[in-house]
Amino acid sequence: GAGVSQSPSNKVTEKGKDVELRCDPISGHTALYWYRQSLGQGLEFLIYFQGNSAPDKSGLPSDRFSAERTGGSVSTLTIQRTQQEDSAVYLCASSLEREVSEAFFGQGTRLTVV
Amino acid sequence: GDSVTQMEGPVTLSEEAFLTINCTYTATGYPSLFWYVQYPGEGLQLLLKATKADDKGSNKGFEATYRKETTSFHLEKGSVQVSDSAVYFCALSDGMTALIFGKGTTLSVSS
Repeated sequence: GAGVSQSPSNKVTEKGKDVELRCDPISGHTALYWYRQSLGQGLEFLIYFQGNSAPDKSGLPSDRFSAERTGGSVSTLTIQRTQQEDSAVYLCASSLEREVSEAFFGQGTRLTVV
Repeated sequence: GDSVTQMEGPVTLSEEAFLTINCTYTATGYPSLFWYVQYPGEGLQLLLKATKADDKGSNKGFEATYRKETTSFHLEKGSVQVSDSAVYFCALSDGMTALIFGKGTTLSVSS
């Protein structure tokens, strides 16, 4: 597609349930990033995939969070046993190799845990 | 670790006013610096960047100069428009890891 696509755009879930958020990066982009945007907290880095290298998971806040990237393209961010503090907008971005400055962002998934 | 601090908003201006949004950074090396903008209902997009000291990034009438001596990258525009209303994020990268963002500054411009 023309840009980074994320789905769903909105997700409401009950505390304790698992959720999966999807990201379709721009075709040909080898780098993919997940960020979390919370009110008043800016953009928090979660995880970074680059080609076939091991992902940089240093930003994942707990072991309830995990992400995978299949075939070097689509990525899924999974949050297990969701908590209310997980409520945020989850943003995905992609870029060519390590050209971080040219990262293109999706419109995000707004997650609300009730 | 590396970090970015930007002025808290919201910033409220009248059309044609001068804009400054302050941004300072802490980094062990010599990072590249960026300003991203998030218009209402849209995704983040790169506004401008500077990759080394004294470089000036510019786009859409916005400018920012990489000041190593003051570790700053303040965003300026001489005459804002209503269409500039958005959230602005200062960010840095050392080229090896993902972008590190500030908390964002909301700009509201009225006619």
